[in-house]
Amino acid sequence: RKEVEQDPGPFNVPEGATVAFNCTYSNSASQSFFWYRQDCRKEPKLLMSVYSSGNEDGRFTAQLNRASQYISLLIRDSKLSDSATYLCVVTGYNQGGKLIFGQGTELSVKP
Amino acid sequence: DAGITQSPRYKITETGRQVTLMCHQTWSHSYMFWYRQDLGHGLRLIYYSAAADITDKGEVPDGYVVSRSKTENFPLTLESATRSQTSVYFCASTQAAFQETQYFGPGTRLLVL
Repeated sequence: RKEVEQDPGPFNVPEGATVAFNCTYSNSASQSFFWYRQDCRKEPKLLMSVYSSGNEDGRFTAQLNRASQYISLLIRDSKLSDSATYLCVVTGYNQGGKLIFGQGTELSVKP
Repeated sequence: DAGITQSPRYKITETGRQVTLMCHQTWSHSYMFWYRQDLGHGLRLIYYSAAADITDKGEVPDGYVVSRSKTENFPLTLESATRSQTSVYFCASTQAAFQETQYFGPGTRLLVL
């Protein structure tokens, strides 16, 4: 079983749609959680950190459920520019500070 | 503000050759990392370094060597390149390992013939 698993995708949605990505992690000692975005095999860039209380950044909402070891990312009012691969990432003290990446979920927003 | 840079950006080499990929960051971040990204595998950690002269293996270290004599540089060497090392290589850095984001370089696309 992979340490971080994501919806396989790809997700093809029309502009304006709401789309949700799910991610599960296997190491219950994981401490920090992130969503990264990667465009066309360019370098990954941090989209947002994920906090236990949930957090929102504009059209993006991230949720964490430690009991279920589950992370989600909700994108509202999708834009063409949201088309990218979204990477779920976890790390923790017993992981030596290393980021553990999910395989990513590809999103394609169509006009 | 240069941030984190990698060189070369593209490299074609032959099986058996030694290749060194360079990574340089201007933030004086303590931690630096090397990843490879392949279709079907996502990003996998090769080696990382917590500080100058401190390095440790990641998930896929075989066939690679790293060094960190200066905080700002973290070169990755393929001692004898193999076709299976054809990949996109990303370097990353961060100041604090657990709470902060990692910043990635633009990547090096390596083709081993």
